[in-house]
Amino acid sequence: DGGITQSPKYLFRKEGQNVTLSCEQNLNHDAMYWYRQDPGQGLRLIYYSQIVNDFQKGDIAEGYSVSREKKESFPLTVTSAQKNPTAFYLCASSIALGSEQYFGPGTRLTVT
Amino acid sequence: AQSVTQPDIHITVSEGASLELRCNYSYGATPYLFWYVQSPGQGLQLLLKYFSGDTLVQGIKGFEAEFKRSQSSFNLRKPSVHWSDAAEYFCAVGGGGSYIPTFGRGTSLIVHP
Repeated sequence: DGGITQSPKYLFRKEGQNVTLSCEQNLNHDAMYWYRQDPGQGLRLIYYSQIVNDFQKGDIAEGYSVSREKKESFPLTVTSAQKNPTAFYLCASSIALGSEQYFGPGTRLTVT
Repeated sequence: AQSVTQPDIHITVSEGASLELRCNYSYGATPYLFWYVQSPGQGLQLLLKYFSGDTLVQGIKGFEAEFKRSQSSFNLRKPSVHWSDAAEYFCAVGGGGSYIPTFGRGTSLIVHP
């Protein structure tokens, strides 16, 4: 079955540690995205990538980094510079920017 | 810049009743419009989309939405709600080319038996 996988489902880290969230898709989509979701705030765009080896900052990129070395993979690193990293993180992909997005199941990150 | 407003944070309906969730958008050209549904702790699933053509769009799970350009609206409707429809609903607006969809803050649907 085609789709998007995110791992792990739950992640716990100590403050000051970097952590990497995995996102893989086998839909052959060119575009991939990372969103952060907090209660009552909808989805906020962190980074997006239109094509391999290219990515752009979204609305809340500070404290995050990404890479896009393969079409299928778009990992997100939450660095120690992110002031409030505890949140639900969603990865998505689409055939092209602007078209409908397909979402992964999400990773809930808790930093204490 | 594009924007989306979902004026209702929560909506409560009885099972079997009809449903309408409101979405208003701001966009300079012909928009691409989407409705997504999210169950607790899950990712989002596309319910329906509008790119062009017929302004009444049919989606999955018995949902439909109507694009009204004069009102800048894309309201989601369902004639008879089921308890399993209880979830968070997000409206999004994007555009042709490289316009990344902007999401509304969501409407939480509560279904009473």
